[in-house]
Amino acid sequence: QSVLTQPPSASGTPGQRVTISCSGSTSNIGNFNVLWYQQLPGTAPKLLIYSNNQRPSGVPDRFSGSRSGTSASLAISGLQSEDEADYYCAAWDDSLNGRVFGSGTKVTVL
Amino acid sequence: EVQLVQSGVEVKKPGESLEISCKASGYTFATSYIAWVRQIPGQALEWMGSIYPGDSEATYSPAFRGQVTISVDKSINTAYLRWRSLKPSDSAIYYCEAYNSDLESFDYWGQGTLITVSS
Repeated sequence: QSVLTQPPSASGTPGQRVTISCSGSTSNIGNFNVLWYQQLPGTAPKLLIYSNNQRPSGVPDRFSGSRSGTSASLAISGLQSEDEADYYCAAWDDSLNGRVFGSGTKVTVL
Repeated sequence: EVQLVQSGVEVKKPGESLEISCKASGYTFATSYIAWVRQIPGQALEWMGSIYPGDSEATYSPAFRGQVTISVDKSINTAYLRWRSLKPSDSAIYYCEAYNSDLESFDYWGQGTLITVSS
């Protein structure tokens, strides 16, 4: 059972905007920065967003993140076929004294 | 270029011990954390714990404390994850991750090590 809650799936057609939510608590998202990871099939996770809304170099600007209270969200605008992957949110949790991950969201491009 | 190269596939029997490794290069090993993350195929990522190579201090998730041991050898820029007695439920892919708590954009992953525990 993951500490952070995400919808199991999301989908859209090419060019559409897709949003993924991540719900936590004051022990994690409410007081710590959120990260988002993209995991393409059969590969290791890759950092997509850090510090709630910052993109590492090389990540397209159609990926954006936000945080409000104890929730966060990832938006993919201009959805492309190569965006088909699993997406995970993560944050530090001070009640567990460790990082926690979300339950993961599978994005399908229709 | 930052690289984390993990040891290869393992097939073990229940009750056996195992240590897998993660060799880092391309950055200052001592000053960034190494975490281990479990992924049972088809399931979510689970943070197992992390270690700061500078002082070898390890922190464990409550779910994994006492089940595994995380260690490092700074002389060869390598982190380890060890089991004393494997169970079939330990079958999973294990990833190492290098991250820096002061520079959140510094976040790199190994390719993963698949472990199968079966009699």
